[in-house]
Amino acid sequence: DQQVKQNSPSLSVQEGRISILNCDYTNSMFDYFLWYKKYPAEGPTFLISISSIKDKNEDGRFTVFLNKSAKHLSLHIVPSQPGDSAVYFCAASLQTGANNLFFGTGTRLTVIP
Amino acid sequence: DSGVTQTPKHLITATGQRVTLRCSPRSGDLSVYWYQQSLDQGLQFLIQYYNGEERAKGNILERFSAQQFPDLHSELNLSSLELGDSALYFCASSPNSQAVGYGYTFGSGTRLTVV
Repeated sequence: DQQVKQNSPSLSVQEGRISILNCDYTNSMFDYFLWYKKYPAEGPTFLISISSIKDKNEDGRFTVFLNKSAKHLSLHIVPSQPGDSAVYFCAASLQTGANNLFFGTGTRLTVIP
Repeated sequence: DSGVTQTPKHLITATGQRVTLRCSPRSGDLSVYWYQQSLDQGLQFLIQYYNGEERAKGNILERFSAQQFPDLHSELNLSSLELGDSALYFCASSPNSQAVGYGYTFGSGTRLTVV
């Protein structure tokens, strides 16, 4: 059962515009959410995270929004750059203390120059 | 280079065989995690070791086993391989047993192909 879902396998955006990547989850016990970026032939790299006690976290061009009531989070990239082209994974962890992550299936972002 | 080293990068083997994947964590990290990414799937957690001890277990098959050695490197052993075991296997490490909030550091993965 996929507890973290990314329903858009791919997204194309023009350079300079905003990229919005979406993620939904089903388990209300998740307390931390993370976004990873993955380039081909590389492992995922940590991008940004948000605690369930917050609704927004910003780091430079990247902002993550959390809507707990809707069990939805999104990653905004503004402005998008060609180097942002990668697969983005949403991940979540549980409150229980076990720190394995539950990953979505990823969204491939293509930023068109 | 993330500092997490996985070998080999690619592995092709036949059904029924056994393979060993190796992971060296980032210097100073005590926790190692193994994840499997099958085609068009998200990363699935297999197992975590912390300072030589098994800490958490996910949906790891009985045909799979892992260990972490005193020098903190880890090995994932896959036996009686089936076609469905073909996947990318990622190793990640973190400084301690609690990684959430700042994430893990992943290696570049081992691509296993079972033919």
